[in-house]
Amino acid sequence: AQSVTQLDSQVPVFEEAPVELRCNYSSSVSVYLFWYVQYPNQGLQLLLKYLSGSTLVKGINGFEAEFNKSQTSFHLRKPSVHISDTAEYFCAVISQGGSEKLVFGKGTKLTVNP
Amino acid sequence: GAGVSQTPSNKVTEKGKYVELRCDPISGHTALYWYRQSLGQGPEFLIYFQGTGAADDSGLPNDRFFAVRPEGSVSTLKIQRTERGDSAVYLCASSFLAGQETQYFGPGTRLLVL
Repeated sequence: AQSVTQLDSQVPVFEEAPVELRCNYSSSVSVYLFWYVQYPNQGLQLLLKYLSGSTLVKGINGFEAEFNKSQTSFHLRKPSVHISDTAEYFCAVISQGGSEKLVFGKGTKLTVNP
Repeated sequence: GAGVSQTPSNKVTEKGKYVELRCDPISGHTALYWYRQSLGQGPEFLIYFQGTGAADDSGLPNDRFFAVRPEGSVSTLKIQRTERGDSAVYLCASSFLAGQETQYFGPGTRLLVL
């Protein structure tokens, strides 16, 4: 079984500041990793995913994440945030070659203040 | 093209009633998933279809929950004898294939059981 821990439930930052949203996972098998964003009153949208290869993954809207196998982490970063980045961010995993279900963390609410 | 659509967007019902929630996946997507998101939590897996068959229904909480996908496209999630604890946002997602393929989410159906 897999589990995902998002260490911060809320992250407030000022506009143009850098941000890091932390994600750690636990799994007895290899996994694929995903970050989804949920804007208010909208569905989940994929930001980026790690399947294999380079551990630094770039996604939409200037976000990137780095897979660290030894620390079982997949932290999300953005060097300069905008007001429009205010949303809830979810980290998720799927086991490779096993169940097809996404296992999500509880989410991190990012609030960007002017 | 059109994304995943879900109807109704909101559903209010009374304890003990029967409800049906509908999901229209992206055309051509063979895999379809249902998740449930309670307040302050990440989405939790309910059931996954590959084509017309339920490939994994391990997330259904009890036998009051049932889902079908008779023609391999539209899916209906059915909840019998609803309870207040069933109140949540029910999310549907689809993907072209399963596994590492991106799951595309609909806007969800917000169910409130009074």
